[in-house]
Amino acid sequence: LAKTTQPISMDSYEGQEVNITCSHNNIATNDYITWYQQFPSQGPRFIIQGYKTKVTNEVASLFIPADRKSSTLSLPRVSLSDTAVYYCLVGDISSGDKLTFGTGTRLAVRP
Amino acid sequence: DTEVTQTPKHLVMGMTNKKSLKCEQHMGHRAMYWYKQKAKKPPELMFVYSYEKLSINESVPSRFSPECPNSSLLNLHLHALQPEDSALYLCASSPLAGGTDTQYFGPGTRLTVL
Repeated sequence: LAKTTQPISMDSYEGQEVNITCSHNNIATNDYITWYQQFPSQGPRFIIQGYKTKVTNEVASLFIPADRKSSTLSLPRVSLSDTAVYYCLVGDISSGDKLTFGTGTRLAVRP
Repeated sequence: DTEVTQTPKHLVMGMTNKKSLKCEQHMGHRAMYWYKQKAKKPPELMFVYSYEKLSINESVPSRFSPECPNSSLLNLHLHALQPEDSALYLCASSPLAGGTDTQYFGPGTRLTVL
């Protein structure tokens, strides 16, 4: 099971693009990379998932280099409501992996 | 319906009480999970049910007893808890669709043990 490493915290201002990088040096061939967002006293919420290259949805983009040893979650034009903890998870449920939450990145967006 | 519901939202109990947390989903998911989350810490996996059978137990103390009556329901029975068990208890479900499996979380039950 690949272990992930993220910055503990990040600060940003409204309207800026925020990039949060996750390191997963021992990612396995079948592993997917998934990002979750969590607000205080709420359950985590799925943001985006990818395997390689770039994935984009209505809220974020996920960039994965060819070696897949890291990934970057990109949040375009953040607002105050994006203040939350962001978790990167790596694993393959079909192989019996239990997805483990790392320490996450606490993002603070300021006016 | 793309929601996981949990009841109650808040629970206060004494160390000698017996209580149960309930979780329900109607998305047809075949995997359900219990997590425990302490303040400012990541969720910690407690139990995984796959096709209504316990598949992963992260060596959780026996004072926590999970039950999966059917594919839509997941209970967590609590007995003789300790104050350090106070936490947010999260339930999640996933389709069990392999590597792309996404977990959907409920809002959690805030448990306080006195």
